[in-house]
Amino acid sequence: AQKVTQAQTEISVVEKEDVTLDCVYETRDTTYYLFWYKQPPSGELVFLIRRNSFDEQNEISGRYSWNFQKSTSSFNFTITASQVVDSAVYFCALRRSNDYKLSFGAGTTVTVRA
Amino acid sequence: DSGVTQTPKHLITATGQRVTLRCSPRSGDLSVYWYQQSLDQGLQFLIQYYNGEERAKGNILERFSAQQFPDLHSELNLSSLELGDSALYFCASSPELNTQYFGPGTRLTVL
Repeated sequence: AQKVTQAQTEISVVEKEDVTLDCVYETRDTTYYLFWYKQPPSGELVFLIRRNSFDEQNEISGRYSWNFQKSTSSFNFTITASQVVDSAVYFCALRRSNDYKLSFGAGTTVTVRA
Repeated sequence: DSGVTQTPKHLITATGQRVTLRCSPRSGDLSVYWYQQSLDQGLQFLIQYYNGEERAKGNILERFSAQQFPDLHSELNLSSLELGDSALYFCASSPELNTQYFGPGTRLTVL
């Protein structure tokens, strides 16, 4: 079975602070895909990043960066110099290579205070 | 804007009723997925269609059904509604087994 754990339920920071969201996953597959989605207060789910299990390169996109470590089954997400617009629920998700569904973690609510 | 559209945005109905949620995928995407987001269960996969055919089923109740039409839009039918069916229902689309892009969701409230 596959499982995604986001142990942090809520994180509150002051603007310009960095925030790191943890994601730990479980799967027996050797090929799989990891995702991060953002759900702002308006409710939609916005795709942020996809990472293949065979590509362990970290990625940076503007103020967002992701750290993928197969050895610890983690795919952590860091927001640098947070802004109020970053306030949202962030979901980590896992998909097997031959499966269609996304298995989501419970989400981490990030609140950035001005 | 993901390119996936869902209607209606909000739906309020009574227990025992039946509703239909509609989804139009991104242009060119053959796969459509339905997910339910509730406070107690989180985000749960319901069902997937690919080019008109059912491909995978998740935690979908027997009272729920879906279909994908020749123009690739999809409908999720929820019947004999119960209070516990109140949730945010998302549709997503993707090109084959690729990144899923989500629509804005339909918020269903059952009174």
